[in-house]
Amino acid sequence: QQQVKQSPQSLIVQKGGIPIINCAYENTAFDYFPWYQQFPGKGPALLIAIRPDVSEKKEGRFTISFNKSAKQFSLHIMDSQPGDSATYFCAASKGSNYQLIWGAGTKLIIKP
Amino acid sequence: EPEVTQTPSHQVTQMGQEVILRCVPISNHLYFYWYRQILGQKVEFLVSFYNNEISEKSEIFDDQFSVERPDGSNFTLKIRSTKLEDSAMYFCASTLNRGYTFGSGTRLTVV
Repeated sequence: QQQVKQSPQSLIVQKGGIPIINCAYENTAFDYFPWYQQFPGKGPALLIAIRPDVSEKKEGRFTISFNKSAKQFSLHIMDSQPGDSATYFCAASKGSNYQLIWGAGTKLIIKP
Repeated sequence: EPEVTQTPSHQVTQMGQEVILRCVPISNHLYFYWYRQILGQKVEFLVSFYNNEISEKSEIFDDQFSVERPDGSNFTLKIRSTKLEDSAMYFCASTLNRGYTFGSGTRLTVV
């Protein structure tokens, strides 16, 4: 119940395409769903986050879609660029301790 | 932009030795965390720290691990007797309102 399942494990998209990364969770107590971007040798950096009372959130070229009934959320990257090549992690948290439960990560490659 | 600073960036230690990983969280943040990431694998929660005490810890965080905030700015993770399987990237993070800021990590290699 604590797991967050992320897919695909890796993704190759042509520049300008729209990569979509999906995550699913079981625990309905989760109430915060962030996405992190990680470049090699660096720590994860918060990209965008959503709460379950909202179905979609956009920040620049990044969009989270959230389906509360299906317990799924996804990240879309519009007009993808080679600089977006990184590993992307979804996560979820509940309660006041803010511990994040992480997905396994998606290695995204944007081809020029 | 405020940063979480971690030192050292890379530490090599012999099995059985003690290591201390150091972190300087963002100054007005209230919650502090240690996570680790074994190469190519998912990020794993170790421990959270709030109000000068551990608020939650994972099953990974056994008696070999301890955390301290010795002086109001630093936040340390100590591993008393390192094992080969402790080799990983260790990330410190801090937050005020759920937007975590992570440090760049310490790569710990146990030989």
